[in-house]
Amino acid sequence: LAKTTQPISMDSYEGQEVNITCSHNNIATNDYITWYQQFPSQGPRFIIQGYKTKVTNEVASLFIPADRKSSTLSLPRVSLSDTAVYYCLVGNTDKLIFGTGTRLQVFP
Amino acid sequence: DAGVIQSPRHEVTEMGQEVTLRCKPISGHNSLFWYRQTMMRGLELLIYFNNNVPIDDSGMPEDRFSAKMPNASFSTLKIQPSEPRDSAVYFCASSFSLGQSSNQPQHFGDGTRLSIL
Repeated sequence: LAKTTQPISMDSYEGQEVNITCSHNNIATNDYITWYQQFPSQGPRFIIQGYKTKVTNEVASLFIPADRKSSTLSLPRVSLSDTAVYYCLVGNTDKLIFGTGTRLQVFP
Repeated sequence: DAGVIQSPRHEVTEMGQEVTLRCKPISGHNSLFWYRQTMMRGLELLIYFNNNVPIDDSGMPEDRFSAKMPNASFSTLKIQPSEPRDSAVYFCASSFSLGQSSNQPQHFGDGTRLSIL
């Protein structure tokens, strides 16, 4: 399973756009890229998933370059409630391998 | 719609006691996962089932841990005997798997916070 690398933590302010980049240099041809969000005292929550190019939903956008060796989760206009840990996962099976994630802190 | 339901939410017990954690997956989901989360090791997959059959239990720490899924709507994770190092938050998740190459979103419960004294 492809290993992912993402920043340990990030800080932002309300209303700003936040971009969290994940590196996955040895991603396999049939691997998908999936992001989860975890609030304190809750289980992770699926945010978005993509294979290539760009995916957008009501919560976030996911940008994947042509070589697929990295991906960027974009959160538009964050609020205090977006403070959470964000996990980037790469794989093509039901077996998810969670890394350490990125702890995003949003300030007023 | 009800999400994944775990019980109890909190459990405090003494070392050596048997602990049973329970999970009710989302109706219609055919895959169920048990995870453990600690500060030191992060979120680890312990075991997962597909159509009530254990598929991969390579993450189960040792023989003291066992998991069952007697039907599509219920699963248990049992620790016997429990030890202080088992203290963690245990999450159950479910998904609708499409098969071998599935990567469907998993829906997590709110977890059971287990403390072994």
